[in-house]
Amino acid sequence: DAGVTQSPTHLIKTRGQQVTLRCSPISGHKSVSWYQQVLGQGPQFIFQYYEKEERGRGNFPDRFSARQFPNYSSELNVNALLLGDSALYLCASSAAGTEVYYGYTFGSGTRLTVV
Amino acid sequence: GNSVTQMEGPVTLSEEAFLTINCTYTATGYPSLFWYVQYPGEGLQLLLKATKADDKGSNKGFEATYRKETTSFHLEKGSVQVSDSAVYFCALSDTNAGKSTFGDGTTLTVKP
Repeated sequence: DAGVTQSPTHLIKTRGQQVTLRCSPISGHKSVSWYQQVLGQGPQFIFQYYEKEERGRGNFPDRFSARQFPNYSSELNVNALLLGDSALYLCASSAAGTEVYYGYTFGSGTRLTVV
Repeated sequence: GNSVTQMEGPVTLSEEAFLTINCTYTATGYPSLFWYVQYPGEGLQLLLKATKADDKGSNKGFEATYRKETTSFHLEKGSVQVSDSAVYFCALSDTNAGKSTFGDGTTLTVKP
């Protein structure tokens, strides 16, 4: 089975632009979470989606939005990009509610650079 | 809110040395605790976990014990290898938050 797949792997955008990042969870996993990892820091929680509903949201501005599709894949959108949005964006999948006990399976991430 | 504090790195060891990476946490309720490992250019991989006090998680020679009295979850390995060179993250999850809280990571370099 394929693991968590993210696309694209790398992206360079200009300040003020918009970006869409994509994630496909492990087959059978219905929950997708998004994390931002700034260089030298640990991942910070952005969103969790389960069955197409937002289940949790971290302390990020409204420029960040996400959605989940019927096949459980997900997109993360960031509008009006700032230099500080440069980071590795990680997608993590889990069977519903199990990340508390079993942890996540992470994708390899999308490296976003804002110039 | 929840928080995780890891010992600051980087940590440099010789092959076959003993490893300890300290991790302490602050949380309401009864969180589960995790160690993840991140190799260069990759996402995080779950290394081990413990879901309740006094549980010991273990995997690939690494161990960590959930100590509620000291709010700690220190990572240990008796004999490190060059291939263990990576960044190690301590994390907690609780049932109320629907998310995990990570430490800032500790970079381990093992020299032959």
